[in-house]
Amino acid sequence: QQPVQSPQAVILREGEDAVINCSSSKALYSVHWYRQKHGEAPVFLMILLKGGEQKGHEKISASFNEKKQQSSLYLTASQLSYSGTYFCGTEPFYNQGGKLIFGQGTELSVKP
Amino acid sequence: NAGVMQNPRHLVRRRGQEARLRCSPMKGHSHVYWYRQLPEEGLKFMVYLQKENIIDESGMPKERFSAEFPKEGPSILRIQQVVRGDSAAYFCASSPRQIYNEQFFGPGTRLTVL
Repeated sequence: QQPVQSPQAVILREGEDAVINCSSSKALYSVHWYRQKHGEAPVFLMILLKGGEQKGHEKISASFNEKKQQSSLYLTASQLSYSGTYFCGTEPFYNQGGKLIFGQGTELSVKP
Repeated sequence: NAGVMQNPRHLVRRRGQEARLRCSPMKGHSHVYWYRQLPEEGLKFMVYLQKENIIDESGMPKERFSAEFPKEGPSILRIQQVVRGDSAAYFCASSPRQIYNEQFFGPGTRLTVL
């Protein structure tokens, strides 16, 4: 039931792009993306709803393929501040408004 | 608008003692979620509460763990007779639960059991 994220880790140079994927075996109502720096709380980035609505960060974009139950987070022109672990949290279709089921995380390191 | 508040930020307990973790949601949020994060792992759902009601406790261990969100005051996660395996970061999140179920996380309580 836990969504699978890929890749597990990625290293970038400042200014490079990255894509992080999140795949679920269950029908989803929404996908949420968070970034967590070591020792800190997860920070909300974006939410994508079934049907195409989305709400979130201005400089980060994402997509949600409802048929495949997959979401991708696009990080363009990466900055040092983008470093951290990215988690997708999925909201099952049968349990809207309730718990989020998180993936195992993708560790992103941006080097100067 | 203050964010989600959690206290204490760090808590050290000896095996067998009780741990009480507190969470005050953001103003206007009446939905509270507790998650646990073991070192180097992801976030695992524990319990979802609204004022005076437990909505979903499917992630809570059957014994020693309990949660409440009273009409007045913060939400409390209580762990009785702590064991070393309870050592983790415990995060609380709150949501306004409208169209978007955005969940905003507090800074967490890091529990260490000696």
